[in-house]
Amino acid sequence: KQEVTQIPAALSVPEGENLVLNCSFTDSAIYNLQWFRQDPGKGLTSLLLIQSSQREQTSGRLNASLDKSSGRSTLYIAASQPGDSATYLCAVSPPAGYGNKLVFGAGTILRVKS
Amino acid sequence: SAVISQKPSRDICQRGTSLTIQCQVDSQVTMMFWYRQQPGQSLTLIATANQGSEATYESGFVIDKFPISRPNLTFSTLTVSNMSPEDSSIYLCSVYYEKLFFGSGTQLSVL
Repeated sequence: KQEVTQIPAALSVPEGENLVLNCSFTDSAIYNLQWFRQDPGKGLTSLLLIQSSQREQTSGRLNASLDKSSGRSTLYIAASQPGDSATYLCAVSPPAGYGNKLVFGAGTILRVKS
Repeated sequence: SAVISQKPSRDICQRGTSLTIQCQVDSQVTMMFWYRQQPGQSLTLIATANQGSEATYESGFVIDKFPISRPNLTFSTLTVSNMSPEDSSIYLCSVYYEKLFFGSGTQLSVL
């Protein structure tokens, strides 16, 4: 059974700092991995999607990497801003054919202080 | 991309009542997914709603408690029946359109 773990559970940093969020998964047989952002009491916004054949994806100040063999992904946020404060979730998708039943981590709560 | 409108955004309900949550997608999709996020926890898949067939429920979730309708390729509803305080959660619908898109969520509080 696939399990997804995110470390740290919470992180507080001063504005401008670069930071890394970690995600690990137990079964390397994945189709893709997605990073999401969730604001309090809200739905999820997809940030980056990495296919299993890819190593990284970038969008603006965000960079996500994937090392499928070791079951790890990182989300790098450059020059953090107070508006980045949110919960960040990673989720892995099983191999195609099993339906798109993503398995989510518990999330990292990020607070960027001004 | 896909844009999902979900309503209500929040509700406070009495024990024993039912609440129906609606999701409207701006494009036709084969499968819609309903998730639950209990306080302080991550998302758990409740069921997959397919147009024209019965929804497929995950372990621990049953149709009598969470009946789902999927009348067409752009719309679905989830009903939380006979509610108890343990049902207080955020409920989210989502669709897979190259990647997973989510509605804005329904924050449910049961007194």
